[in-house]
Amino acid sequence: DTGVSQNPRHKITKRGQNVTFRCDPISEHNRLYWYRQTLGQGPEFLTYFQNEAQLEKSRLLSDRFSAERPKGSFSTLEIQRTEQGDSAMYLCASSPQAMNTEAFFGQGTRLTVV
Amino acid sequence: AQKITQTQPGMFVQEKEAVTLDCTYDTSDQSYGLFWYKQPSSGEMIFLIYQGSYDEQNATEGRYSLNFQKARKSANLVISASQLGDSAMYFCAMRERNAGNMLTFGGGTRLMVKP
Repeated sequence: DTGVSQNPRHKITKRGQNVTFRCDPISEHNRLYWYRQTLGQGPEFLTYFQNEAQLEKSRLLSDRFSAERPKGSFSTLEIQRTEQGDSAMYLCASSPQAMNTEAFFGQGTRLTVV
Repeated sequence: AQKITQTQPGMFVQEKEAVTLDCTYDTSDQSYGLFWYKQPSSGEMIFLIYQGSYDEQNATEGRYSLNFQKARKSANLVISASQLGDSAMYFCAMRERNAGNMLTFGGGTRLMVKP
């Protein structure tokens, strides 16, 4: 297992288009998180899955954003009708159940909306 | 209120010297964990060190140590013997048991190591 994998690494899209990102977590991790990071800021929490259940959603996650984790393995994050303000790095992380374990991050998907 | 506050946007340190990066946190949860991550310019988030709220001793990992002062709600990262490769963004984060176990991050500190 090589860690958390995110695809694509970079995405340029026109305003108004839909985009979908994929995250493959570390296989034995049942928790999966999505974060958004803009330049010079810390990651902001978007949503969190335990297995296939989406347990938490940030108020940052507008109705244009949807995330899924079918079968509790990989996850997808879709942004509909993209806006320029959606331009950011989207980070995925996974961790085991125990609270005292760190989350392992993927390398992120950099989205640019033009 | 901010959950995690990092008051130093940028720090310089001379190579081979020690540096302390500040982090204060706000929680009413009794059970929580504090984490430090490093983010080089390449973008990946690298886990450095963890401190649990019930841990009585300060965490250490190689050149990294965490100065945990529970009453003051601070969890400062100390890097000893700085190296040029330590130049990066550093983020303090907290996980609270009663907040869905998600990680909440501070705004980060950019550390620059001078040769």
